[in-house]
Amino acid sequence: QKEVEQDPGPLSVPEGAIVSLNCTYSNSAFQYFMWYRQYSRKGPELLMYTYSSGNKEDGRFTAQVDKSSKYISLFIRDSQPSDSATYLCAMEKGNTPLVFGKGTRLSVIA
Amino acid sequence: DTAVSQTPKYLVTQMGNDKSIKCEQNLGHDTMYWYKQDSKKFLKIMFSYNNKELIINETVPNRFSPKSPDKAHLNLHINSLELGDSAVYFCASSLPGQGAGGYTFGSGTRLTVV
Repeated sequence: QKEVEQDPGPLSVPEGAIVSLNCTYSNSAFQYFMWYRQYSRKGPELLMYTYSSGNKEDGRFTAQVDKSSKYISLFIRDSQPSDSATYLCAMEKGNTPLVFGKGTRLSVIA
Repeated sequence: DTAVSQTPKYLVTQMGNDKSIKCEQNLGHDTMYWYKQDSKKFLKIMFSYNNKELIINETVPNRFSPKSPDKAHLNLHINSLELGDSAVYFCASSLPGQGAGGYTFGSGTRLTVV
């Protein structure tokens, strides 16, 4: 079992839809959780960062962490065509490099 | 002003050649990384390096070697290139320590070995 599992999609939704992206993990040592967005032919950019169970909101984006279930989510409200990208979850444990999920490719259709 | 810059953006080379990719960061970060992203978008750590410690992913062939002339630079040297080395290579940097707030990535170097 991989440390971090993420459904690669692709996921296609109409503009204005609510998008739910998810990752599960197997190692309870992960303490910090991130979501990165990667546009085509660009580097990943940090979107959300959280370290505790619960919700964190930033504009149209909400990151949710459930440490008891080892499950994290990213919700995008009122999705826009400009949200079309690959979304990668990432996790950190101890002083070791981030471990990434495989990424979910999202297309928002106008 | 670009925070993490990589050169070149594209690199096409023949099997067996030796090549280098350069990375520079102007964020004052202490730790730098090289990640490899395959055709399925999976990002896998190759190396992490700060002034004191190099951590090598044990699955990385020893044909790959990082070189850091100073804190702001971490270059990647690849010897005897193989077809399977074709991928996008990303440099990243961060503050040291756990929970330091995420990484800043460069825009990537797309390596094609023919």
